[in-house]
Amino acid sequence: KNEVEQSPQNLTAQEGEFITINCSYSVGISALHWLQQHPGGGIVSLFMLSSGKKKHGRLIATINIQEKHSSLHITASHPRDSAVYICAVPPHNYGQNFVFGPGTRLSVLP
Amino acid sequence: SAVISQKPSRDICQRGTSLTIQCQVDSQVTMMFWYRQQPGQSLTLIATANQGSEATYESGFVIDKFPISRPNLTFSTLTVSNMSPEDSSIYLCSVYGLAGREQYFGPGTRLTVT
Repeated sequence: KNEVEQSPQNLTAQEGEFITINCSYSVGISALHWLQQHPGGGIVSLFMLSSGKKKHGRLIATINIQEKHSSLHITASHPRDSAVYICAVPPHNYGQNFVFGPGTRLSVLP
Repeated sequence: SAVISQKPSRDICQRGTSLTIQCQVDSQVTMMFWYRQQPGQSLTLIATANQGSEATYESGFVIDKFPISRPNLTFSTLTVSNMSPEDSSIYLCSVYGLAGREQYFGPGTRLTVT
């Protein structure tokens, strides 16, 4: 069974700060997702990555498959980045279920 | 990608009543998933809804409490029956992408039971 952990659990930052959220998992995977959950509850997919690094605007996601670790970075953070960030591991086989990390609650203060 | 809508977006219900949540997808999908997210917690899978067969429930969830319908390939409902304050959560429906490696979520239904 794949266990997914995240750190920190909660994070408060000042606007403009560089933010890092970490995710580790216990079983080898082929890809990992980073999700963003807005305060209203809706979830959007930020990244799916299987190696190296991906960048989208101020968001950067990296993954090290060998070390079973991924990070999500936010540069020049803004209050609208305040959300819960969840890493998720897709199933090995179709029909199995995604495994979700516990989430990191980020608050960016103006 | 898939676009998913849910109704209602939120509701406040009294203990002992039932609420049915609707999920509509803009494309045909084999499996639809229902998740619960209790306050401060991560997502927990309730059940998988397959068109044309009984839903498959995860450990700790039973059909009498969470009956699910799946009348066609684009629509599903989840009913939260005989509600108690412990059922106060966000309920999300979800589908996989074509390759089974992406997952798309509805906007969620925020339920408060008083």
